[in-house]
Amino acid sequence: AQKITQTQPGMFVQEKEAVTLDCTYDTSDQSYGLFWYKQPSSGEMIFLIYQGSYDEQNATEGRYSLNFQKARKSANLVISASQLGDSAMYFCAMRRAGTASKLTFGTGTRLQVTL
Amino acid sequence: DAMVIQNPRYQVTQFGKPVTLSCSQTLNHNVMYWYQQKSSQAPKLLFHYYDKDFNNEADTPDNFQSRRPNTSFCFLDIRSPGLGDAAMYLCATSRANQYEQYFGPGTRLTVT
Repeated sequence: AQKITQTQPGMFVQEKEAVTLDCTYDTSDQSYGLFWYKQPSSGEMIFLIYQGSYDEQNATEGRYSLNFQKARKSANLVISASQLGDSAMYFCAMRRAGTASKLTFGTGTRLQVTL
Repeated sequence: DAMVIQNPRYQVTQFGKPVTLSCSQTLNHNVMYWYQQKSSQAPKLLFHYYDKDFNNEADTPDNFQSRRPNTSFCFLDIRSPGLGDAAMYLCATSRANQYEQYFGPGTRLTVT
């Protein structure tokens, strides 16, 4: 079975600062994908970034980067230069390789960006 | 733009009154998923379709059913909604063997 743990229920960050959201995972699979999604209060699940288990380089997408440490089974999200619009719920998720496998989500971290 | 659309965005139903939620996609993906997300919780997969093959999660209540009449559309039917079924229902799609899932905006269901 797969499990995602997000230990930070809530985080505050000042505008323009960087913030790291923690995520650890547990799986016996060798091939899997790790994701971060943003969910604003409207409820839509917005894809941010993806890291494959065999990718040697950390994934980056604009202001988002994923700090992947495979031996520690961690996949932390780093948001640089935080903006007020980054205030939302952030979910870490994973999915095993293969056809139509489900996403397993963590419990989420609520990020609040302040002036 | 190719996308995943869910209708309605907000749905109010009465206790025990059947309700149907709709999802459509223009991405031509062969896999469609339904997730349930209760307040302050993570999304949880109810079931998915791989083409016409229906795959139910072991702990999905019988009260929840789904139909996929064609590639583009998928419906979630709740036969007798209870107060505990109030949640956000998220539809997602993907290509088989592709990691990323594309989510719709969700339908927020209220049961009175």
